[in-house]
Amino acid sequence: GAVVSQHPSWVICKSGTSVKIECRSLDFQATTMFWYRQFPKQSLMLMATSNEGSKATYEQGVEKDKFLINHASLTLSTLTVTSAHPEDSSFYICSAMGTRGYTFGSGTRLTVV
Amino acid sequence: TQLLEQSPQFLSIQEGENLTVYCNSSSVFSSLQWYRQEPGEGPVLLVTVVTGGEVKKLKRLTFQFGDARKDSSLHITAAQPGDTGLYLCAGATGGFKTIFGAGTRLFVKA
Repeated sequence: GAVVSQHPSWVICKSGTSVKIECRSLDFQATTMFWYRQFPKQSLMLMATSNEGSKATYEQGVEKDKFLINHASLTLSTLTVTSAHPEDSSFYICSAMGTRGYTFGSGTRLTVV
Repeated sequence: TQLLEQSPQFLSIQEGENLTVYCNSSSVFSSLQWYRQEPGEGPVLLVTVVTGGEVKKLKRLTFQFGDARKDSSLHITAAQPGDTGLYLCAGATGGFKTIFGAGTRLFVKA
C-alpha cells in the first residue's frame, strides 16, 4: 500500500511554455502532499506543501506565481511550472504521508530548452 | 532555521567493508526516516525510527535513533555493490514538515 504515482516521468519543453506535473496517491487519501526540487547530486529541497481544498504553503524563496499548485481532491495534487526557463530545469518530486511515513513519487525530470 | 547535517557526503568503499552514515541536528524530531534513492527515481523509505534510543535492523542495515531524538546513524555491514545509491535522512518536526539531510552518495566497488 501507500503508492504515489507521478506523471510525467520526464518532459522537455520550450522556454516560455508551461508544464503540469501530476501527483496521485493510488491507494490512500492524502490531505497533504509535498513538492520537492532536486538538483543533480544534491538533496531534496521542499518547495511547497499542498493542502487539499486550500491554498498551498510555499517555502521561502519559491515563487508561488511561477509554481502553481492545485490540490483539488484527496488523491491528486498538480504542480504547474509557468513560463518555464532553462534555470527551472530540475528533478521535481512529490510525496504524500502514508501509513508508514512519507511515500515519494518517482519524480519528473524537467528540461527546458 | 532547522538543519539536519548528514555525513559523509560521499563514500567509496570496497565490497565487504562496513560503513556508517550520520545525521545530526540541534533540533528534536518526532521521527526520523532513512531513504535510499536511485538516479532518476524518487526516494524509497528504508525505515522510520520514533523512540529515542531505538535500534532497527533491516538485513545488513542497522539504524539507530539518538536518545535525545536529535541524531541518527545508518550502519551497513559487509556492503555490496547493490547498496550503491544516495542515502537520505529526513527528520519530521511536530507538524507535517520534514527536513532532509544533504544526502550521502555511496559507491560500493566489486
